[in-house]
Amino acid sequence: EPEVTQTPSHQVTQMGQEVILRCVPISNHLYFYWYRQILGQKVEFLVSFYNNEISEKSEIFDDQFSVERPDGSNFTLKIRSTKLEDSAMYFCASSVVRNEQFFGPGTRLTVL
Amino acid sequence: GNSVTQMEGPVTLSEEAFLTINCTYTATGYPSLFWYVQYPGEGLQLLLKATKADDKGSNKGFEATYRKETTSFHLEKGSVQVSDSAVYFCASRGNTDKLIFGTGTRLQVFP
Repeated sequence: EPEVTQTPSHQVTQMGQEVILRCVPISNHLYFYWYRQILGQKVEFLVSFYNNEISEKSEIFDDQFSVERPDGSNFTLKIRSTKLEDSAMYFCASSVVRNEQFFGPGTRLTVL
Repeated sequence: GNSVTQMEGPVTLSEEAFLTINCTYTATGYPSLFWYVQYPGEGLQLLLKATKADDKGSNKGFEATYRKETTSFHLEKGSVQVSDSAVYFCASRGNTDKLIFGTGTRLQVFP
C-alpha cells in the first residue's frame, strides 16, 4: 500500500542552524501539507501546497519557514534559523482530494 | 475560530470492554469531521470520517456519528482489543485545507 515517507526520523540541531525536513508524498497526490506537534500539545497546521504554490499557511509559518517541491517527488520544509521552540514532531501529509489527508510517520526535531 | 476538544487520557480498559472517546467541535458552518489513530512509532492514520450531519463513519469496528445538535463526533467501539491501544485524534476541516486537531486521547487496553 502506498504511503507517505519522511526523513530523517530524528534530527538534532543547534539553535540558529538551518534544517531541511524531507517528505515523499504518495505519487499521484496533488495536495501537500506540513503539521507539527510540540510535545504534549495539539497537532497544528503549518502550511498547504498545491500546484507548486502555497495555498494556505498558519500564523506559525513565518518568514523562517519555507516549503519546496524541488523535483516532482520530494516535498521539503526548511527552517532557516531554528529556535528552541521549534522542537516538535513534524508531520507531512498528502491527498488526492482535499478531504482525505494521508500522514507520514513524522520527523522529531530537537533544537539544542 | 474553529476548534476541537476531546477527552483527556489515558483511557484504560480491559479487553472486550466498550469504548467511548468524546469529541466536540466549534465551527462556523458545517465542517467535515475525522478520527485519526496513531499506533506507536507510526504516523497518523485516517480511521473514519463524516462529512455532513447525521452521517455515521465506521471502520474496523469503530463508529462515530456527526451530531449537529450537540456539535459532537464521539468515537465508540463495542469490544476493544489489545491491538487497539494507540492515540486517537479527533479533527475537523472547514472550508479551507487545514485540519484542526484535538489534543489526542491515549487508549490502553489490557488483556
